Order: sequence, then structure tokens, then C-alpha cells
Amino acid sequence: EDKVVQSPLSLVVHEGDTVTLNCSYEVTNFRSLLWYKQEKKAPTFLFMLTSSGIEKKSGRLSSILDKKELFSILNITATQTGDSAVYLCAPTTRGGTSYGKLTFGQGTILTVHP
Amino acid sequence: NAGVTQTPKFRILKIGQSMTLQCTQDMNHNYMYWYRQDPGMGLKLIYYSVGAGITDKGEVPNGYNVSRSTTEDFPLRLELAAPSQTSVYFCASSYGYDEQFFGPGTRLTVL
Repeated sequence: EDKVVQSPLSLVVHEGDTVTLNCSYEVTNFRSLLWYKQEKKAPTFLFMLTSSGIEKKSGRLSSILDKKELFSILNITATQTGDSAVYLCAPTTRGGTSYGKLTFGQGTILTVHP
Repeated sequence: NAGVTQTPKFRILKIGQSMTLQCTQDMNHNYMYWYRQDPGMGLKLIYYSVGAGITDKGEVPNGYNVSRSTTEDFPLRLELAAPSQTSVYFCASSYGYDEQFFGPGTRLTVL
């Protein structure tokens, strides 16, 4: 059975802090790993990672994948209150019926105080 | 482009009632999905479709049915609603195997 574990489950920081969110996975036929941000509504896409060791960056957010150790991290530097959200990771797999199955982790709840 | 749209946004059902959650996408995506998200949990796949006329079960299909008569529409049917189906339901679509685009969700309460 596919398994995704995110840590920590929740995190409270102050503006300006740097945070690291972790995602470990055990899935068969791994294809890619996606990160989403969810703010009391639908998840919005952040990153897709397919290759180990290649960092993806978008402003203050960055992410990297380790396919050997089966984990990914999401870094947020100089956090702002607008970063408060649930961050979800989801490995995708090549399912038996050739669809892009996502298995979501439980999510990390990030709260950034002013 | 409106992306993925869902109706209704909120609904309260009594135990045993039935309803259909509507989902439409205008991105010409072949792949469409229905998820449910319980409080404090990640999303769990209910049903998915790889194209018009083709549907299959996800992780938690019991109590639900779907159909896919067109590329754009992927309605989710709840028969005999139960309190365990209280959740937020998200529809999503994708072009290929990777990034999925999500609708705004339907918050369903079964009393």
C-alpha cells in the first residue's frame, strides 16, 4: 500500500523565520512528487519534482527531491503571514490503468504570526 | 478559462437522501478525479476517469457513483447519504499524469 508521511504535522513560527517541511514516501512505480498549498479552499500547485538533487525555486519557496532516500523537503525563507496554510505533498505513480494517481500526505499546518 | 467549477458550494442532507455533485472543466483535460477531504486529513481519491465513458474506483468508492458522458463533465452521485459522508469534496482534472487542477470544493454535511 502506498504511504506518505509529512512532518511536522503543525508548525508555528514568526514572520521572518525559515521553515523546512518534510515529506517521505513509499509508493510503487514512482513518477514525480508534487507540492500543493491549501488555504481553506482548493489546493494550489507549487512544485513538481522528478529528478533527485535538482532544486526547484519560486521566490522564497524551494524544494528538492531525494529519490534514493524517498523524501522531499519544502523550504520557505523569510516567512510571511500569507504563507500560513496547509502544505500537502503527493507522489504520483504510474498506476495499472495508466492514470496519474496521487497519494496525498496528511499535510503540515503552517501558522506564521506577525 | 474558468478552470474547474463545482456546484453546489454547500449542501446539507438528511440521512438516506441522495444528491449529485456537479463538476465541469473547460481545459479539455482527459483525466478527472473526485477527492474527499475530512478535517485535518489529506485528500482521498473516490473515483477517477481517464476519458469520456471510462471511470474507475479510487481508494474510498463505497457509497458513491460517477459517470463521464462528456470530456467536460464528471458528476459524483451520493446514494443513501450517511453521516460518514460529511466532508469537503474536490473535483480535479489534469492533462497528463502530473499536475492536477482543483475546483473550489463542495462542503457537504449529512445529518
